[in-house]
Amino acid sequence: EPEVTQTPSHQVTQMGQEVILRCVPISNHLYFYWYRQILGQKVEFLVSFYNNEISEKSEIFDDQFSVERPDGSNFTLKIRSTKLEDSAMYFCASRTTVDYGYTFGSGTRLTVV
Amino acid sequence: EDQVTQSPEALRLQEGESSSLNCSYTVSGLRGLFWYRQDPGKGPEFLFTLYSAGEEKEKERLKATLTKKESFLHITAPKPEDSATYLCAVTNQAGTALIFGKGTTLSVSS
Repeated sequence: EPEVTQTPSHQVTQMGQEVILRCVPISNHLYFYWYRQILGQKVEFLVSFYNNEISEKSEIFDDQFSVERPDGSNFTLKIRSTKLEDSAMYFCASRTTVDYGYTFGSGTRLTVV
Repeated sequence: EDQVTQSPEALRLQEGESSSLNCSYTVSGLRGLFWYRQDPGKGPEFLFTLYSAGEEKEKERLKATLTKKESFLHITAPKPEDSATYLCAVTNQAGTALIFGKGTTLSVSS
């Protein structure tokens, strides 16, 4: 069964450092997303990406965050200057059409120290 | 503001003891309601999408139903491997972002 692949599975970084989280969505999917889940809290939407541009973003997705699809397979989330409160599980997701279930990756656990 | 509330927060069942999980929602124009299963340290795993009141979907021991205000996930004769957190999420007419509830953590003991 096709999978969304995320790397790394766990990343520890110092406050103020830049991090890039990587995702390989399912190959024939057209819509790409990043979500995060702070320990013990809800899964929260960050950003959606379609046709090589951001289509929606939440208020969490401020100027410290950016997304990119540098080639036909990878989808990345960059956090420019990490803060302690960025510590969370970050999930990438993709879907084929608007009205179909998303497929999520296994996540990257980001720990900011 | 769009909102999803799930109850109970936690549910403990004996193997074979059927029950239901509730998801109530307030959304500006429901586009779809989604049920996911999440195991510890893993990403949500898609179970069902429901689009209109009266719709039902089934998969093995799980059955999801939808009304205009809430959805139920019925678990029939659960097994220990059904233990997980079950997440409910909605999308509205304005976009495709999933709005999640906090989830119900189900524990099934043998």
